[in-house]
Amino acid sequence: GAGVSQSPSNKVTEKGKDVELRCDPISGHTALYWYRQSLGQGLEFLIYFQGNSAPDKSGLPSDRFSAERTGGSVSTLTIQRTQQEDSAVYLCASSSSLTSGGAEELFFGEGSRLTVL
Amino acid sequence: AQKITQTQPGMFVQEKEAVTLDCTYDTSDPSYGLFWYKQPSSGEMIFLIYQGSYDQQNATEGRYSLNFQKARKSANLVISASQLGDSAMYFCAMREENTGTASKLTFGTGTRLQVTL
Repeated sequence: GAGVSQSPSNKVTEKGKDVELRCDPISGHTALYWYRQSLGQGLEFLIYFQGNSAPDKSGLPSDRFSAERTGGSVSTLTIQRTQQEDSAVYLCASSSSLTSGGAEELFFGEGSRLTVL
Repeated sequence: AQKITQTQPGMFVQEKEAVTLDCTYDTSDPSYGLFWYKQPSSGEMIFLIYQGSYDQQNATEGRYSLNFQKARKSANLVISASQLGDSAMYFCAMREENTGTASKLTFGTGTRLQVTL
C-alpha cells in the first residue's frame, strides 16, 4: 500500500481478554516501530524492529505485551489479559533507514484505538 | 525528568497570522535531532520539520520554521500565514544519537492549535 496500514482502527474489549493489533508497513521499509498514545499524552515508545528482529524492546510496559514481525513486513502487537490502563491508541511507524542520524522520517499509520472495559 | 516539554496545551491563532509553538528539551547527549509532527483529527502523525544539533542554521520547510536556540535548549516551531487546515495537535520530539535505536523518538505532550477566521 501507499502508507502504513493498521488494523483494527477501533477495538473494544473486556478486561482480561487478549487482543492483537496489526501493522502493515510501507513496502521495503526495514525499520518498524510501535508507539502508544494515552489520552492527552505524547507518544510512548514500545518496541523497534529491524527486519524481523527486535533490538529494542525497552518500552514494552509488562510481560503481557509482546510483538513479532514476520517476513520483514507485517507486525503484530499482542496484549494478553488486557487491563483498563492498556486503553490507548497504538501507533505503528516505519522507515527505510538502517542507521540513526539525520532527518530519518518516520511514516506513521492512523493507529488502533483500544478501549478496555 | 521530562526530556521534552511543551508548556502550551492549547493555542489559538487567527487565519493568516503567525504562531509560535514552544518546545524545550533536556539531554546530555551532544548529538541529537529535534522533530516536529502534526497530528490532525484523523490520528496520523505527519512529519513537519527536522533540526540536527550540529546544524548551524535554523531549519525551514515552506511555512514552517524551527527557532533553534541550543544554549537555551529550545526548539520552537513557527508557522507563518496560518491556514484553517493547520488546526491540529503538534508534537515536538527528540532523538538522542546514543540510544542505539535508530529513530527512537521521545515525544512531548503536544499543543493543540486552533486556527480561527
